[in-house]
Amino acid sequence: NAGVTQTPKFQVLKTGQSMTLQCAQDMNHEYMSWYRQDPGMGLRLIHYSVGAGITDQGEVPNGYNVSRSTTEDFPLRLLSAAPSQTSVYFCASSYGWSKANTGELFFGEGSRLTVL
Amino acid sequence: KQEVTQIPAALSVPEGENLVLNCSFTDSAIYNLQWFRQDPGKGLTSLLLIQSSQREQTSGRLNASLDKSSGRSTLYIAASQPGDSATYLCAVWANNAGNMLTFGGGTRLMVKP
Repeated sequence: NAGVTQTPKFQVLKTGQSMTLQCAQDMNHEYMSWYRQDPGMGLRLIHYSVGAGITDQGEVPNGYNVSRSTTEDFPLRLLSAAPSQTSVYFCASSYGWSKANTGELFFGEGSRLTVL
Repeated sequence: KQEVTQIPAALSVPEGENLVLNCSFTDSAIYNLQWFRQDPGKGLTSLLLIQSSQREQTSGRLNASLDKSSGRSTLYIAASQPGDSATYLCAVWANNAGNMLTFGGGTRLMVKP
């Protein structure tokens, strides 16, 4: 059972470089999201999507882009990496996202990013 | 804005004790509440999901209760084991937070042999 798969698990970037964190789920979930986790700050939502072609901003969207061309994939792009983006990134998905149908949230194993 | 608080931030107990972790939230208009476990360097594992219409959920030695009117949830762990050592987080999905969960800061649990 693959669940939510994130790649890469570890990445080191230099300031100004760009990269994409990949996230794929095989549970046919409509809702997908990206969080970052920092010591003392907890989990903060970056972007989320409620279906293919639909994305929206979370609490801390600046410096990140997302797209959702398929139900399965939800990549997170860093256009010009900054040291403040050093963090652990988690992708999560759920089958439901509305009042009538909220579901259990499943997380990937995380991607640890260091920006020098 | 929904705020979620978990107390205590850290807890150390001897093996075999029954323990209670607390989670409080400021807006009672929630859709559901979810408890997670996170081991060091790992992702979050879902433990229990309580829908807004439910009062509690049980899984093995874990029991989670929900009292929306008071804005509180508790996670009860029976007969704790060293393998229960981890950080436990609660999160609520609420109407006033849009399509997103709000997480508490977590309780770091250490169960000593």
